[in-house]
Amino acid sequence: EDKVVQSPLSLVVHEGDTVTLNCSYEVTNFRSLLWYKQEKKAPTFLFMLTSSGIEKKSGRLSSILDKKELFSILNITATQTGDSAIYLCAGYGGATNKLIFGTGTLLAVQP
Amino acid sequence: DGGITQSPKYLFRKEGQNVTLSCEQNLNHDAMYWYRQDPGQGLRLIYYSQIVNDFQKGDIAEGYSVSREKKESFPLTVTSAQKNPTAFYLCASSTKKEGVGYEQYFGPGTRLTVT
Repeated sequence: EDKVVQSPLSLVVHEGDTVTLNCSYEVTNFRSLLWYKQEKKAPTFLFMLTSSGIEKKSGRLSSILDKKELFSILNITATQTGDSAIYLCAGYGGATNKLIFGTGTLLAVQP
Repeated sequence: DGGITQSPKYLFRKEGQNVTLSCEQNLNHDAMYWYRQDPGQGLRLIYYSQIVNDFQKGDIAEGYSVSREKKESFPLTVTSAQKNPTAFYLCASSTKKEGVGYEQYFGPGTRLTVT
């Protein structure tokens, strides 16, 4: 069965800290891995990763994929209270080519 | 403004009633999706449609029905057969791309409470 597992389930840090969120996957016919940020309602797209070892970066956020070990990490440096959200990881693939979501990591950044 | 709209934002129903959640997009996307989100369970796929007049069951389709009569619209009906309908429902759309994958754009969601 295809699955995506995220860890930790929740995390509390202080402003300025650096955090690393983990995502491991077992997805047949794996094509790509996507990260989303969900604050109150609609998840918003962060990154799509298709190749191993190539870091994608956007401001203080960065992500990398390891297709040999079947995991991805999302790094956030110099965290701010506005980074508080649920971070969702999803693998694209499976028998019918769809997104398989993990349960998410709830990040709380305290001032 | 391009995007996905869902209505209503909050919906309350009595047990035993069917209820229809609206999802409209003006992104000219071919594919549309319905997810359910419960605390601690991430997003689970209910139904998806890659083309007008065609749709497929996702992982948790029981107790739900959909239609796709227009490209822009993909309404979801939560029937009385759904055992635990109280949840946050998210609609998404994407271009129909094969290959390495695609970004899905999400609507703001509808929070359904059934008592």
